[in-house]
Amino acid sequence: RKEVEQDPGPFNVPEGATVAFNCTYSNSASQSFFWYRQDCRKEPKLLMSVYSSGNEDGRFTAQLNRASQYISLLIRDSKLSDSATYLCVVTRNQAGTALIFGKGTTLSVSS
Amino acid sequence: SQTIHQWPATLVQPVGSPLSLECTVEGTSNPNLYWYRQAAGRGLQLLFYSVGIGQISSEVPQNLSASRPQDRQFILSSKKLLLSDSGFYLCAWSLTYNYGYTFGSGTRLTVV
Repeated sequence: RKEVEQDPGPFNVPEGATVAFNCTYSNSASQSFFWYRQDCRKEPKLLMSVYSSGNEDGRFTAQLNRASQYISLLIRDSKLSDSATYLCVVTRNQAGTALIFGKGTTLSVSS
Repeated sequence: SQTIHQWPATLVQPVGSPLSLECTVEGTSNPNLYWYRQAAGRGLQLLFYSVGIGQISSEVPQNLSASRPQDRQFILSSKKLLLSDSGFYLCAWSLTYNYGYTFGSGTRLTVV
């Protein structure tokens, strides 16, 4: 089983749509969780951290289910500028010495 | 504020040639430093990480090496490049893993 698994997509949605991405991770010792955004041929940038209680940042909502080892990202009212690849990221172990990245889910928002 | 610099942005090298990529961080002390590689169509692969000067942990056996000669400097090297070394090389830093990493702008390496 891969350490972090994501549906690669692509997800093609119209502007204004709501879209959800899911991610599963294999190591129950992982302590911290994140969503990163990567634009084409650019470096990944931190979108948001993911907390057990769930957290929201504007149109973006992240959820974590430790029991199921499952992470989600919900984007409401999609904008053209949301088109990118979204990477699910977890710490490898309790020491957190390294972040493990999923391969990403590609989102394309069209007008 | 903290900034991370990585160069060059693009590099084309022949097979068998040496490689040296440099990464520096400004505005912080004793950062954790990382080298990742993203091959075409693939995810980010952790290559090396360092928690202090001279301390290097290698994640993948290969013909690459890393060094940390100064607190905020991280270097990725190879004595002889292979075609399979082509990819997007990214340096990153963090103070603690709780807040994620910040990446440099990356070096796109093509081995020909």
